[in-house]
Amino acid sequence: SQQGEEDPQALSIQEGENATMNCSYKTSINNLQWYRQNSGRGLVHLILIRSNEREKHSGRLRVTLDTSKKSSSLLITASRAADTASYFCATWGNTGNQFYFGTGTSLTVIP
Amino acid sequence: DAGITQSPRYKITETGRQVTLMCHQTWSHSYMFWYRQDLGHGLRLIYYSAAADITDKGEVPDGYVVSRSKTENFPLTLESATRSQTSVYFCASSDQGWHQPQHFGDGTRLSIL
Repeated sequence: SQQGEEDPQALSIQEGENATMNCSYKTSINNLQWYRQNSGRGLVHLILIRSNEREKHSGRLRVTLDTSKKSSSLLITASRAADTASYFCATWGNTGNQFYFGTGTSLTVIP
Repeated sequence: DAGITQSPRYKITETGRQVTLMCHQTWSHSYMFWYRQDLGHGLRLIYYSAAADITDKGEVPDGYVVSRSKTENFPLTLESATRSQTSVYFCASSDQGWHQPQHFGDGTRLSIL
């Protein structure tokens, strides 16, 4: 399967700390996206990084991409209780239907 | 309000029955997608559509049928439901397909007894 794998599966931190989650994938990609999912809701897009980019920032989010290692990381700085959610990476491969989500990281931020 | 809506939010049915999940978007996005979400598998693409009357299979299409007669609607039909199709189903849309972010509905939780 092309499916990405997030690591860790679950993460619990104190409010104000940084949270880092990782995504690994198996084949060449055109882009990699990160999404957030609150309990009982749909996914919300956070950030998209293209295969020729190495780092991207959006507010408190920092995403890196290492295509040689087929991995990406999502850093959330100064976490808040509202950041509690599951986070998924998604990769787009070489053709239209090669779009795969990882299994997700469940983040809990303790107030 | 603009957005993407799915109906019903919850559905219980029996094996062998036909069930249709509805998806409606108000952005006039070209692309629409159906995913299922299961523990341990993340989200898996069932079908997608690049425009009205154009549909294509994703990773797990077996047992599902889709149609797209209008840009804003993308219904998903389980022709003869099986217990393995118990899942949470998400519809999404995107203006430019795989190059751009997808916008998701809040899902339909489907239980097949």
